[in-house]
Amino acid sequence: GQQVMQIPQYQHVQEGEDFTTYCNSSTTLSNIQWYKQRPGGHPVFLIQLVKSGEVKKQKRLTFQFGEAKKNSSLHITATQTTDVGTYFCAYSNFGNEKLTFGTGTRLTIIP
Amino acid sequence: NAGVTQTPKFRILKIGQSMTLQCTQDMNHNYMYWYRQDPGMGLKLIYYSVGAGITDKGEVPNGYNVSRSTTEDFPLRLELAAPSQTSVYFCASSYSRTYTDTQYFGPGTRLTVL
Repeated sequence: GQQVMQIPQYQHVQEGEDFTTYCNSSTTLSNIQWYKQRPGGHPVFLIQLVKSGEVKKQKRLTFQFGEAKKNSSLHITATQTTDVGTYFCAYSNFGNEKLTFGTGTRLTIIP
Repeated sequence: NAGVTQTPKFRILKIGQSMTLQCTQDMNHNYMYWYRQDPGMGLKLIYYSVGAGITDKGEVPNGYNVSRSTTEDFPLRLELAAPSQTSVYFCASSYSRTYTDTQYFGPGTRLTVL
């Protein structure tokens, strides 16, 4: 069966350092979405990636979808305290378009 | 637009009690979803609906029931509450005919079963 891992589970960084979370699949994905959940809040959509090798940027956030569409990453440059939260990838497969959420990466910032 | 609203925000139930979690969206979305999120964990799909009158099971449907009589409302019913159902419940909706459209989440209901 399909295995999708989101790593790391936790990341603590000094304010101003960079942060990256990865979503890795054993099978090809049809698309991938990224969500952010602030502590005590609800998930909020950030971006969707569909094409092989796609790269999208939102200010300090860079999202990538691998050439084989089996992995994706979210990179934050120069983290700020407002970046605190849990980042989830959500993915679907060809033939089964239901969205499945990864386990998330919890980011904490040390001021 | 209010988006996706959920009531109540918090609830404590005793084992064996029943309750209904309410979810309403005003975006005219066809698709609606119920997820549960256990502490420190990801989201697991309980049930979903692709339109009024149509519902289907997700990954963890046992102990829950849903109905979808209107486009706007998608209530989740817990019968015979158990401690294992202590969780945060999120309702979400999306517009597109495909499952992969952006999902908009409600603020959640924090449920404790004692």
